[in-house]
Amino acid sequence: AQTVTQSQPEMSVQEAETVTLSCTYDTSENNYYLFWYKQPPSRQMILVIRQEAYKQQNATENRFSVNFQKAAKSFSLKISDSQLGDTAMYFCAFERAGSYQLTFGKGTKLSVIP
Amino acid sequence: DAGVIQSPRHEVTEMGQEVTLRCKPISGHNSLFWYRQTMMRGLELLIYFNNNVPIDDSGMPEDRFSAKMPNASFSTLKIQPSEPRDSAVYFCASRLDRGTQPQHFGDGTRLSIL
Repeated sequence: AQTVTQSQPEMSVQEAETVTLSCTYDTSENNYYLFWYKQPPSRQMILVIRQEAYKQQNATENRFSVNFQKAAKSFSLKISDSQLGDTAMYFCAFERAGSYQLTFGKGTKLSVIP
Repeated sequence: DAGVIQSPRHEVTEMGQEVTLRCKPISGHNSLFWYRQTMMRGLELLIYFNNNVPIDDSGMPEDRFSAKMPNASFSTLKIQPSEPRDSAVYFCASRLDRGTQPQHFGDGTRLSIL
């Protein structure tokens, strides 16, 4: 079974600064996908970014980028130029290729401070 | 494009009552998921449908829970009779089951059983 660990229950960052959220996972699979989802106070679950394990290049989406270290089984999310709207819970998730099961971490609560 | 649509957004009812949650997946998506989110257990997969057929219902807590997908554009999750421990946020998600497509979540239904 796969496990996803987010070791930072809460973090804060000053507006316009950069913050990195950590995520590690445990799997014996070689082909899989990793995701970061954002859940703001409005409760929506919003896909932020995804990474295919077979791709060495780190995924980026505007101010969001990941540092994917396959050997270390690490998948951190970097948010640049933090904005107040980035305040949310952030969930890291794992999916084995060919599966339908998303395994979620317990989340990191990020607060962006004006 | 319309996302996954869930209704109601909030539901408050007394224990013992029947509760029905509704979901309209994104048009063209052929996989549908029901999740439950609580502080204690995080996000749990309750049931997974593919092409309107229930594939995995191992996450359904007990017989009081049932889910149906009568067609490609509608699904229900029913709890009968409801109990206070069923209070949670229930999410529906859908995706096109092809390649690396991610799951897209609805806004969730916050259910409170008194």
